[in-house]
Amino acid sequence: DTGVSQDPRHKITKRGQNVTFRCDPISEHNRLYWYRQTLGQGPEFLTYFQNEAQLEKSRLLSDRFSAERPKGSFSTLEIQRTEQGDSAMYLCASSLAGGPPEQYFGPGTRLTVT
Amino acid sequence: AQTVTQSQPEMSVQEAETVTLSCTYDTSESNYYLFWYKQPPSRQMILVIRQEAYKQQNATENRFSVNFQKAAKSFSLKISDSQLGDTAMYFCAFMKYSGAGSYQLTFGKGTKLSVIP
Repeated sequence: DTGVSQDPRHKITKRGQNVTFRCDPISEHNRLYWYRQTLGQGPEFLTYFQNEAQLEKSRLLSDRFSAERPKGSFSTLEIQRTEQGDSAMYLCASSLAGGPPEQYFGPGTRLTVT
Repeated sequence: AQTVTQSQPEMSVQEAETVTLSCTYDTSESNYYLFWYKQPPSRQMILVIRQEAYKQQNATENRFSVNFQKAAKSFSLKISDSQLGDTAMYFCAFMKYSGAGSYQLTFGKGTKLSVIP
């Protein structure tokens, strides 16, 4: 049983560029979550999916952010027109609906916007 | 909205000793879960322990135990026989049991624990 994987692990981009991150959850998990963690802070919820449906979005998820989970398996998080304030660790987690409530986290994608 | 407060930004403990990390939270919910997660340096977040609010018995996982005081909205983590591998950031987290906003984890700012040989 492999854990949650994320790709890439690190991304450096220039302000104004678009970036896309991928998350592969634990295979039998149908819930998938995205969080953002800035330096010295705990993770903050961005959005979550149950299967392919995006059920909740945080107000932190501005119009420049979009997330998809087209087949209910992997998910992508895209940030358009990146800003320096987008620099953070982007964490993905997964869990099983009807199972234990705890979420299992991936290693994260560290985004640096220059 | 829920808030989680960890008032100890950094702590240290001698190897083999016991340390307690504090967490308080604020919520109007009656049913919820509380978690402690561990984030070792440059490694991913790992679940340490979970507590259901409806359970009066404190959760225990090997060397890790909690002191859950529902009325006081307090949820501390005790680590016994500290090991070097316990060095990490520890996050306290809250999750609603049901309704809008459930399944979202609300995290504290974390406590950086260093275990000293």
